[in-house]
Amino acid sequence: SQQGEEDPQALSIQEGENATMNCSYKTSINNLQWYRQNSGRGLVHLILIRSNEREKHSGRLRVTLDTSKKSSSLLITASRAADTASYFCATLYSLNSGGSNYKLTFGKGTLLTVNP
Amino acid sequence: DAGITQSPRHKVTETGTPVTLRCHQTENHRYMYWYRQDPGHGLRLIHYSYGVKDTDKGEVSDGYSVSRSKTEDFLLTLESATSSQTSVYFCAISESLSPRWGGYTFGSGTRLTVV
Repeated sequence: SQQGEEDPQALSIQEGENATMNCSYKTSINNLQWYRQNSGRGLVHLILIRSNEREKHSGRLRVTLDTSKKSSSLLITASRAADTASYFCATLYSLNSGGSNYKLTFGKGTLLTVNP
Repeated sequence: DAGITQSPRHKVTETGTPVTLRCHQTENHRYMYWYRQDPGHGLRLIHYSYGVKDTDKGEVSDGYSVSRSKTEDFLLTLESATSSQTSVYFCAISESLSPRWGGYTFGSGTRLTVV
């Protein structure tokens, strides 16, 4: 399976603390993405990091990618109660040599709870 | 953002009946996807499309078929629904010219229960 695996499966922190979630994957990728899902809702794209990038920032989000270890981490700084959600990493890889078709595979997610 | 609408939002159906779920986008994005989400499995790709009449199987395609006769609509059909197909189904689109350059936009999901 090409699926990424998040760690931990669940994380509970206090408001204002930082939250770190990790993702490992198995094969070469084009990019790695992080998504958030609030309970009962669809997934929302948060951030994308390409295979030739090592770090990316977006607001309170910081993503790192280590292709040699096939791993990524998502850091949410100064967390808020509204950050409570499930977070998924997803890896994109090419299905054909021409690079026109891609597959995005998801891990099982990390459930983040931010307590007020 | 592209408008992406899934219908119906909820459906209860009986085992053995055919069911069709619809995904509609308001812009002419090329790539569309159907995923299912189940506890303990995350999201799994059922089928995807890279253009009108161009579709292919994902990792859990058995028991499902798709059609894309228009750019804006991607239909998922459960040919003969089984209880194992009880799930939440998500449609997604890639708003970028290539999935390499941007993330996916997801619909709100269809909760399907097969009894």
